[in-house]
Amino acid sequence: GAVVSQHPSRVICKSGTSVKIECRSLDFQATTMFWYRQFPKQSLMLMATSNEGSKATYEQGVEKDKFLINHASLTLSTLTVTSAHPEDSSFYICSARQTGSGIYNEQFFGPGTRLTVL
Amino acid sequence: AQKITQTQPGMFVQEKEAVTLDCTYDTSDQSYGLFWYKQPSSGEMIFLIYQGSYDEQNATEGRYSLNFQKARKSANLVISASQLGDSAMYFCAMREIQAGTALIFGKGTTLSVSS
Repeated sequence: GAVVSQHPSRVICKSGTSVKIECRSLDFQATTMFWYRQFPKQSLMLMATSNEGSKATYEQGVEKDKFLINHASLTLSTLTVTSAHPEDSSFYICSARQTGSGIYNEQFFGPGTRLTVL
Repeated sequence: AQKITQTQPGMFVQEKEAVTLDCTYDTSDQSYGLFWYKQPSSGEMIFLIYQGSYDEQNATEGRYSLNFQKARKSANLVISASQLGDSAMYFCAMREIQAGTALIFGKGTTLSVSS
């Protein structure tokens, strides 16, 4: 199956700093990428949808100025958590949809990034 | 708006027994896909099984089967012959068949398999 990577897998930062998380589709082109956030023992909550070359669409309640998403190429999307605070500590998972594919199994997930803000 | 409901926060089963994880959904779209994912403690999302809204047959993948009851809007996952390695969080998810729409997940069910 298609592979999606995320980097870093784990990051610890101080409050007030910015953190960038990269999501790459390694063996396919992804027109659309999705970013999810998951708190411990909770569900995956969709944060935003990004399409290559255009602005991301954010879900209600997600601050677009705080969570900057850039989908600069068909294989790379980045999520930058700006001025991170302890409440931003979470598991961030990206997902990529293969260009031109159908409904079946077309949304592939990265391994996730665990962010801890001290 | 689409919605996924998983009412079982936790389920317990013994090895070799079968277990059913419940999932109901709500959508106004006629065309949609239903998915089940397994998430072990490592956090990775493992795709298990898919059912399309127009599929007449229930989906099966090895020990996993999906009990799809369209009129009831339910898509329960059945795991046969449970194994210790099945212990994980299980998520039901849905996607409406429109360009760009993301998978929306239920709250999940934690499955614990004991020997």
